[in-house]
Amino acid sequence: AQSVTQLGSHVSVSEGALVLLRCNYSSSVPPYLFWYVQYPNQGLQLLLKYTTGATLVKGINGFEAEFKKSETSFHLTKPSAHMSDAAEYFCAVSEYGGSQGNLIFGKGTKLSVKP
Amino acid sequence: GAVVSQHPSRVICKSGTSVKIECRSLDFQATTMFWYRQFPKQSLMLMATSNEGSKATYEQGVEKDKFLINHASLTLSTLTVTSAHPEDSSFYICSAPDRGYEQFFGPGTRLTVL
Repeated sequence: AQSVTQLGSHVSVSEGALVLLRCNYSSSVPPYLFWYVQYPNQGLQLLLKYTTGATLVKGINGFEAEFKKSETSFHLTKPSAHMSDAAEYFCAVSEYGGSQGNLIFGKGTKLSVKP
Repeated sequence: GAVVSQHPSRVICKSGTSVKIECRSLDFQATTMFWYRQFPKQSLMLMATSNEGSKATYEQGVEKDKFLINHASLTLSTLTVTSAHPEDSSFYICSAPDRGYEQFFGPGTRLTVL
């Protein structure tokens, strides 16, 4: 069975600083991995996804993530934080390895950005 | 990208009443839709998988008689919370996968049961 672990329920960075949100996964099949962002009282917006191919994935708003099979990790990074990045971030793995399966979510990491 | 809508976005009801939440895929067809529930400051938990033309499949611990799901067409799934109680208050989110490797999420419905 798939599972996702996000280290740190709350991360705080200064504006302009590096953002690093950690995600480790467990999967018995080649994983399809996702990062979503959620703003208060809103649904989820896809930041980026890894399916196959290049292990460094670039997403929207300057975010990127690298799939490291040996470390079973898919950490999310952004070189320079912006105030508008403050939100909840969820890492997810797709059950059964494809889009037709439901997503298994981590518990989420709340990102705060200090001015 | 594809768009999924939910209606209503927010509902407040009295204990014992039933509430219907609609999930629509606006520009693509979805034979499968997923319903998630999110409690405050927690992650999304899958409740059930809605299948067009057949019965929904429910996750362990989710009462199928309380959370009725109907996938009436390739673009519409409904979740009805029957005899709602305060403990059912939550944020309900649906999603639908397109033909690619992505699921599209609705904006969510905030249910408050008084």
